[in-house]
Amino acid sequence: DQQVKQNSPSLSVQEGRISILNCDYTNSMFDYFLWYKKYPAEGPTFLISISSIKDKNEDGRFTVFLNKSAKHLSLHIVPSQPGDSAVYFCAASAVSWGKLQFGAGTQVVVTP
Amino acid sequence: GAGVSQSPSNKVTEKGKDVELRCDPISGHTALYWYRQRLGQGLEFLIYFQGNSAPDKSGLPSDRFSAERTGESVSTLTIQRTQQEDSAVYLCASSPDRVGGYTEAFFGQGTRLTVV
Repeated sequence: DQQVKQNSPSLSVQEGRISILNCDYTNSMFDYFLWYKKYPAEGPTFLISISSIKDKNEDGRFTVFLNKSAKHLSLHIVPSQPGDSAVYFCAASAVSWGKLQFGAGTQVVVTP
Repeated sequence: GAGVSQSPSNKVTEKGKDVELRCDPISGHTALYWYRQRLGQGLEFLIYFQGNSAPDKSGLPSDRFSAERTGESVSTLTIQRTQQEDSAVYLCASSPDRVGGYTEAFFGQGTRLTVV
């Protein structure tokens, strides 16, 4: 049962443009959402998070938007840089749960 | 060390053998997680330890898989009678508190297990 879904396995974007990654979830108990970035042969690294009491969180070039009614969140990267080329995972959790449920990931390729 | 440390980084084993994977979490982190990532797939939850509470084993795929954690320190994931479908990268993560408390989990670099 896939409770967190990333329906786009890959995304190609030109350097300097905006990257938009999408994530949908099904469990209404989720109240904390995170994005992780993963390079090959490395563990995932935390990028940005948002709690369910907010609809937007911004950190430098990265902004996460949360639409609770649609059970949808998105990650915006602007401007995209070559070093952003990686796999991005969406994850969700709940206070009562304690563990993270991950999506399948989206491979982002930033081209010059 | 400053981060989550996993050993070995790579392990090749013969089908049917047992393997042990080790995780050293960040000092002081009460929560510890094991995930695995099969080739081309996402992160699959295996098991979660939180302090002295009973672990959440709901993600373990079969009774060949088990994990232990001593207090709030090292954890060992054991796979008995390995099968080829166990080949994956096994990732360990730790967190200062349960992630639902608005803290993130910090991942190690993973152990790549190959069963031949």
